[in-house]
Amino acid sequence: DGGITQSPKYLFRKEGQNVTLSCEQNLNHDAMYWYRQDPGQGLRLIYYSQIVNDFQKGDIAEGYSVSREKKESFPLTVTSAQKNPTAFYLCASSSGGRAMNEQFFGPGTRLTVL
Amino acid sequence: KNEVEQSPQNLTAQEGEFITINCSYSVGISALHWLQQHPGGGIVSLFMLSSGKKKHGRLIATINIQEKHSSLHITASHPRDSAVYICAPFYNTDKLIFGTGTRLQVFP
Repeated sequence: DGGITQSPKYLFRKEGQNVTLSCEQNLNHDAMYWYRQDPGQGLRLIYYSQIVNDFQKGDIAEGYSVSREKKESFPLTVTSAQKNPTAFYLCASSSGGRAMNEQFFGPGTRLTVL
Repeated sequence: KNEVEQSPQNLTAQEGEFITINCSYSVGISALHWLQQHPGGGIVSLFMLSSGKKKHGRLIATINIQEKHSSLHITASHPRDSAVYICAPFYNTDKLIFGTGTRLQVFP
């Protein structure tokens, strides 16, 4: 079955620790995205990548970092510089390219920083 | 003013009722997503549309590009339709702008 996997579903970390969230897709999609969701707010774009070895900052990139070494994988690191990291994180992918393409979402990771 | 306005914010219905959720947006180009988010948090893409109307089972989505308005309709609603429905216009070919969602509860 093709799809997007995120692991783990729930993640707890102590304040000041970096943490990496996993996102893998087997849809052969070029583009991948990371979003953050907070209660009462719409999803906000953290980073996106249209092609391997390239990525761009979204609207709220501060305190986060990404890599795109493989087409299938787009891990997100939440660093200690992120002031309010507790949130629900969603990864998505699309065919990419110049056209607007449907985005497909993973199940999400709920990060709680204690 | 929010760039994407959904109405209503909360909606309660009896099983079998016809549901309409509206989305108006002030930015974006000529397409948008309708998404469904279940209580566990995962998001499913229901439609991506750029003109006219699309139908999938009991779900119908319409869009008026000139008026920057879209509607999602659910016919013969069922308790399993209970979820948050999110409208997300494309800001450009790379970016979506997300509404805060409409929370729908359908009771038997």
